[in-house]
Amino acid sequence: EAEVAQSPRYKITEKSQAVAFWCDPISGHATLYWYRQILGQGPELLVQFQDESVVDDSQLPKDRFSAERLKGVDSTLKIQPAELGDSAMYLCASSLGGSHGAFFGQGTRLTVV
Amino acid sequence: AQSVSQHNHHVILSEAASLELGCNYSYGGTVNLFWYVQYPGQHLQLLLKYFSGDPLVKGIKGFEAEFIKSKFSFNLRKPSVQWSDTAEYFCAFSVSSNTGKLIFGQGTTLQVKP
Repeated sequence: EAEVAQSPRYKITEKSQAVAFWCDPISGHATLYWYRQILGQGPELLVQFQDESVVDDSQLPKDRFSAERLKGVDSTLKIQPAELGDSAMYLCASSLGGSHGAFFGQGTRLTVV
Repeated sequence: AQSVSQHNHHVILSEAASLELGCNYSYGGTVNLFWYVQYPGQHLQLLLKYFSGDPLVKGIKGFEAEFIKSKFSFNLRKPSVQWSDTAEYFCAFSVSSNTGKLIFGQGTTLQVKP
């Protein structure tokens, strides 16, 4: 079964350092999402791509977060500088769009110390 | 604001008991509805979805959900739970005319005692 690949699985970083997460969606999925999930809460969308274009980044803290999907396939989410409040699970998902729902990767658990 | 409310944060059941998890969404237009499950140590998996047609939808592992448009609800049910159903369950929706962005509830932790 095709899966969404994410790396790393776990990341510990110091406050004010830069950190990056990588995602490889299911082949053929034009839509790619980055979600953040804080413990005890549901995932919240950070950014959504359709191919290489951003279609929704309204909840992305753009002063410190950036995301790219240069060739419309894999994607990178970066935080610089990291803050203590960024500690969370970062989930990547991909979809054929609309009513199909999204398929999620294992996520990257970020701890900022 | 678009949101999802899951009524139960933590549910504890014995094996063979019946399950119903409540979910209500806030949006006045046409939506697609989903239930996701996250087993311990695993990623979020799609349990079932509704986008049109029969409001009673069946998913994997004996789960079903009913869409009641007048109540903005999409409750999840299973007639007889198993210990292996222990997991966290998330209700979500997307606006049909929109980009497919999923809006999630806060989740319900289900613990099934053997």
